[in-house]
Amino acid sequence: DIQMTQSPSSLSASLGDRVTITCQASHDISINLHWYQQRPGKAPKLLIYDASILQTGVPVRFSGSGSGTDFTFTISSLQPEDFATYYCQHYDNFPMYSFGQGTKVEIK
Amino acid sequence: EVQLVQSGAEVKKPGESLRISCQSSGYKFPDYQIGWVRQMPGNGLEWMGRINPSGSYTNYNPSFQGHVTFSVDKSISTAYLHWGSLKASDTAIYYCARIKGVHFDSWGQGTLVTVSS
Repeated sequence: DIQMTQSPSSLSASLGDRVTITCQASHDISINLHWYQQRPGKAPKLLIYDASILQTGVPVRFSGSGSGTDFTFTISSLQPEDFATYYCQHYDNFPMYSFGQGTKVEIK
Repeated sequence: EVQLVQSGAEVKKPGESLRISCQSSGYKFPDYQIGWVRQMPGNGLEWMGRINPSGSYTNYNPSFQGHVTFSVDKSISTAYLHWGSLKASDTAIYYCARIKGVHFDSWGQGTLVTVSS
């Protein structure tokens, strides 16, 4: 099965900062990589699917890129509502839907 | 608007059974599978499995196989997650989510299950 490594596990940033999170796959997964935001006490929310496609209604400051084994999630200018935990997710034959370990974005 | 509304928080004792629900609205229930995701306190997201909208087909993450069961009542667009015998380690928030291909595009609000003697 494919291993997903998300980093960093946490980061501190200020309002307006550019934030980057990475997810690395142990094998080529094409563009089968998706990103979610989970605010404290809330359900996860899909932000980006198929590596780079912005889900309807998601602000354009969020973006994703990559293919194959290396993927990047970027917030271009951090807003107060962006302090949350972010997860990458991949689909494979086994164990089907797997999530990265998560990256907690905190206020500096 | 697509909505998945889950049943309320539960407090149970070890060994008890439990069924929680996830009612869908705003879309054609037969067109999408439903997945279940666990989040233990302070931890990340774990995929438990999925069920097709007719209830005829399920996939379970091996980590959960044999301990939980999925079902649906398509007449009321509702999916269920069932435990026959709860353990303290089942204490977690459980989310249902609509599966769109290979990702989850809409989520329920979560159901907190607390198992304690």
